[in-house]
Amino acid sequence: GAVVSQHPSWVICKSGTSVKIECRSLDFQATTMFWYRQFPKQSLMLMATSNEGSKATYEQGVEKDKFLINHASLTLSTLTVTSAHPEDSSFYICSANGGGHEQYFGPGTRLTVT
Amino acid sequence: GEDVEQSLFLSVREGDSSVINCTYTDSSSTYLYWYKQEPGAGLQLLTYIFSNMDMKQDQRLTVLLNKKDKHLSLRIADTQTGDSAIYFCAESIDNSWGKFQFGAGTQVVVTP
Repeated sequence: GAVVSQHPSWVICKSGTSVKIECRSLDFQATTMFWYRQFPKQSLMLMATSNEGSKATYEQGVEKDKFLINHASLTLSTLTVTSAHPEDSSFYICSANGGGHEQYFGPGTRLTVT
Repeated sequence: GEDVEQSLFLSVREGDSSVINCTYTDSSSTYLYWYKQEPGAGLQLLTYIFSNMDMKQDQRLTVLLNKKDKHLSLRIADTQTGDSAIYFCAESIDNSWGKFQFGAGTQVVVTP
């Protein structure tokens, strides 16, 4: 089946630095990818829709200048958490649409900001 | 509060049936989904149901939808230890493929 990978799987960074998370569709092309954030024992919260070749669409309450999304190719979307703070520590998950109901999720990236 | 609600934990004995319940609020959702999350792996689509259906069966999985009460359930027959995971209920948002409102997830633990 189709696979979506994320890199890194776990990252620790210092407060004030920026960190980039990659999401790749390994064997299919995805014009649209989605970024979610998951807190422990809570649901996945949709952050933004990443559109290849155009600007991302952010959900209400998500700071676009804080969470920079770039979807430069049909197989890669990146999420950059800028000037990270401890409250940005979370589990970030991306997904890519393989057509219709086939939505493939990455394994997630755990971000810890110290 | 969340728009999709699930109980957080379910313990079931191997061989028994599991029933995971979910309530949602957006009556305009065209599709409703069940996803499975295992440690270290991405969410895996288990099944989905169109909003004008009452029931869908797929091997050991049975989905029941009560649209009037906005209630969705997933029944797993003959539960196995490999079914231990977190199960997420999700409704589609804006009728967009891949855009979901998820519940908090139900941790299912299968005991021998």
